[in-house]
Amino acid sequence: KNQVEQSPQSLIILEGKNCTLQCNYTVSPFSNLRWYKQDTGRGPVSLTIMTFSENTKSNGRYTATLDADTKQSSLHITASQLSDSASYICVVSLKAAGNKLTFGGGTRVLVKP
Amino acid sequence: DVKVTQSSRYLVKRTGEKVFLECVQDMDHENMFWYRQDPGLGLRLIYFSYDVKMKEKGDIPEGYSVSREKKERFSLILESASTNQTSMYLCASTVALNEQFFGPGTRLTVL
Repeated sequence: KNQVEQSPQSLIILEGKNCTLQCNYTVSPFSNLRWYKQDTGRGPVSLTIMTFSENTKSNGRYTATLDADTKQSSLHITASQLSDSASYICVVSLKAAGNKLTFGGGTRVLVKP
Repeated sequence: DVKVTQSSRYLVKRTGEKVFLECVQDMDHENMFWYRQDPGLGLRLIYFSYDVKMKEKGDIPEGYSVSREKKERFSLILESASTNQTSMYLCASTVALNEQFFGPGTRLTVL
C-alpha cells in the first residue's frame, strides 16, 4: 500500500474555477511535505514545501495546507488557468532514512476553456 | 537558477542493448538521484549518490547500475535493456535536506 495517497486521480475543471487536491500520508516522522507540478513530458517543479510546524504555504494562486494531526495535506488552485493543466504530486520527506522521499501517485488536472 | 540536464529527451533501444542515461547539474550539489516514473506507480527511486564515487541502492535497483565519477555528473546504466524498463527516467539533485531539483526527463522505449 502506498504510504502517500492522492485523490482524485484526475480532475477536469473549467478555466477560472477553483479546485482542491488531497494528499493523505502514513509515513512518519516526516521532515517536510512538498507539492510538485509536472507538465506533460517534463520533470516535476516544486510549488510549495512545508515543515511539520507549518500549516499553510502559498505560491501565487497555489495554496497548500497541512494538518499533521490527521496526516492530510491539500493543494488549492484559485482561479484556474489553462497553464495549470498538469500532474500535481505530493511528496513526503522522511526525517529518518536520510531524508528519503516518498511520492504520491499524482493528480492529473485538466483545465478546459 | 539550478539547472539539471539530461542527455536525451527521447530514446529508443532494442532488447539486450546497453543504455547510458546521463545527468548533469551545475549547482555543485552533493546529492543526485535517479527515478523512474510509470503510470499509476508514481516516481520510484532507483539509485542515489551523496558524493563522488559513492552510490546507494534505492527501492528498485535491479537491472540498473550507476556511475558518479565527477560531482556534477550522475549516469544511469542499463546493462542489458529489457522491455519492462520502458519508462520515463528522471534525474534530480539537491543540497543536504533541501528541495530536489528535477531534470526534464528521458522517455526510454525498449523494443
